[in-house]
Amino acid sequence: DAGVIQSPRHEVTEMGQEVTLRCKPISGHNSLFWYRQTMMRGLELLIYFNNNVPIDDSGMPEDRFSAKMPNASFSTLKIQPSEPRDSAVYFCASSSPRNRGGRGYTFGSGTRLTVV
Amino acid sequence: AQSVTQPDIHITVSEGASLELRCNYSYGATPYLFWYVQSPGQGLQLLLKYFSGDTLVQGIKGFEAEFKRSQSSFNLRKPSVHWSDAAEYFCAVGAYRDDKIIFGKGTRLHILP
Repeated sequence: DAGVIQSPRHEVTEMGQEVTLRCKPISGHNSLFWYRQTMMRGLELLIYFNNNVPIDDSGMPEDRFSAKMPNASFSTLKIQPSEPRDSAVYFCASSSPRNRGGRGYTFGSGTRLTVV
Repeated sequence: AQSVTQPDIHITVSEGASLELRCNYSYGATPYLFWYVQSPGQGLQLLLKYFSGDTLVQGIKGFEAEFKRSQSSFNLRKPSVHWSDAAEYFCAVGAYRDDKIIFGKGTRLHILP
């Protein structure tokens, strides 16, 4: 299994531009999570999906952030327009139904976003 | 609401010395508890987990953790650290009927040669 695949690994963009981060979960996993990691705030849960349906988006910082999961094998996190304070590492993680907090998530390697 | 506290931001130990990283949680029911490790530039890797049974759990890389309900703690231990253990360690709490896992702020472990 290739694990959770995130792309791109690094993204540098100018303030005001649209940024799209991508995630491919592990096949068979039906829950997908987007986290943001910064030095100041640590790991923050932004949103998670179960069976492609958004369950909890209370962590999405503002309307500039949106996430979709059009099918079981793909999710996107979009920031439009981007701002320098969005600079962070964004992680995607997935888990199977049996996990439900049991075996824990599998994380991708993250996307390091820099907004200049 | 669930919360996790890792009181130590940085810990420095000598190679070969024992290690204990502290974690306290707040949760109304029996929690699921996890320890993850993150090496620089990498994602998080699950070290071990607890959700029932024996309160002393064994994980990968020689780590273990003990669940103490009376102290709301889930401390991570290793009898002898190796230089390769230098990383950031995250404690996390979840619940059976909730897919969410809440992470602590992390403890960065430094190893002295």
